[in-house]
Amino acid sequence: QLQLQESGPGLVKPSETLSLTCTVSGGSISSSSYYWGWIRQPPGKGLEWIGSIYYSGSTYYNPSLKSRVTISVDTSKNQFSLKLSSVTAADTAVYYCASVDSAPAWGQGTLVTVSS
Amino acid sequence: DIQLTQSPSFLSASVGDRVTITCRASQGISSYLAWYQQKPGKAPKLLIYAASTLQSGVPSRFSGSGSGTEFTLTISSLQPEDFATYYCQQLNSYPPRLTFGGGTKVEIK
Repeated sequence: QLQLQESGPGLVKPSETLSLTCTVSGGSISSSSYYWGWIRQPPGKGLEWIGSIYYSGSTYYNPSLKSRVTISVDTSKNQFSLKLSSVTAADTAVYYCASVDSAPAWGQGTLVTVSS
Repeated sequence: DIQLTQSPSFLSASVGDRVTITCRASQGISSYLAWYQQKPGKAPKLLIYAASTLQSGVPSRFSGSGSGTEFTLTISSLQPEDFATYYCQQLNSYPPRLTFGGGTKVEIK
């Protein structure tokens, strides 16, 4: 059974870069026929797709975040990562990683707070 | 881009009630729709995928139906542990993304 786990700093200063990693277990990123994605949820709000990546490195980003987002994959570690630059308080959210398929598996989420 | 509209956004119900939540897509999405339950401080939990397939371990009081542009999640007899927020989600094959409805909060009457 596929399991995903997010990791990274819980506090980021304004204007800096948010960096998170998702570690996949129970399956190989390389052998999957689907994409892997990042989703976020600001406190008390709904869910927002950030972007997706294939094991080959092909990426697709939410147009509203595209200028600040980079998603990468490390197949040797069975991980994929998110970088969000120039963060503001509006980027404070719980960040989830998930498989982008018809029955997505999700990580438990990690709260990232943007504050000085 | 495909938009998902959930209704109602808020629902007040009693234990034992039959509850129905609707999700409408702005264009046809076949059966590529999932439903989630989310409780405070927790990740969304997958209940239904492919519009009507019950995820393993999910109680049978949950059911999903629909195809094309209109979908429903039904809870046949609401239990105390079912008070939560429910989201519908569509899988878009290209670009590969997950699109979400705005959510329906189910509270105790």
